[in-house]
Amino acid sequence: QQQVKQSPQSLIVQKGGISIINCAYENTAFDYFPWYQQFPGKGPALLIAIRPDVSEKKEGRFTISFNKSAKQFSLHIMDSQPGDSATYFCAARANYGGSQGNLIFGKGTKLSVKP
Amino acid sequence: GAVVSQHPSRVICKSGTSVKIECRSLDFQATTMFWYRQFPKQSLMLMATSNEGSKATYEQGVEKDKFLINHASLTLSTLTVTSAHPEDSSFYICSARPTDRNTIYFGEGSWLTVV
Repeated sequence: QQQVKQSPQSLIVQKGGISIINCAYENTAFDYFPWYQQFPGKGPALLIAIRPDVSEKKEGRFTISFNKSAKQFSLHIMDSQPGDSATYFCAARANYGGSQGNLIFGKGTKLSVKP
Repeated sequence: GAVVSQHPSRVICKSGTSVKIECRSLDFQATTMFWYRQFPKQSLMLMATSNEGSKATYEQGVEKDKFLINHASLTLSTLTVTSAHPEDSSFYICSARPTDRNTIYFGEGSWLTVV
């Protein structure tokens, strides 16, 4: 079963704090794990992505931690700001067989950063 | 970053009519484009995968005769909602994968309201 499980469903963080969103997957054939940020009424925007041969990737305040053996990956937002308030989706790409590389999305996490 | 443009961003149509939504990759060629539907506060639901010059692959439960997809060129895919009904009202989002990269980029989405 192709699934990506994301938690928590919603998250409230104080300004300056660390936001942590977790995802777990089942299919070991997934080979690409992006995170998307979506503001209300807008399309998702690619935030950061990682491949399974790397355990961590950092871009500015955003860090992905990847645990291949546990089949888990997480997004850390350091020094969270009110402007980070959005819905975040983790995803995994199935790049095998007839899947044609489509993304399997988690259900999303609504992040609210309080000033 | 790569840009994917959707048009129109918002459209209102009457029940029974058809409406076309365009998805264009502005600065790259995309062999594969994906169409999603998103309900309020929910994750993205893949509707179909379109490949340039061939028939789209529809996900289970998506009516291919109702949601017509055409991928006529490497930079343009269209979704036509035929005989629209109020329950078709939703946020439709496309994404595209450049032929030379594994990253997937999303459009800004199109709000469809059927009255």
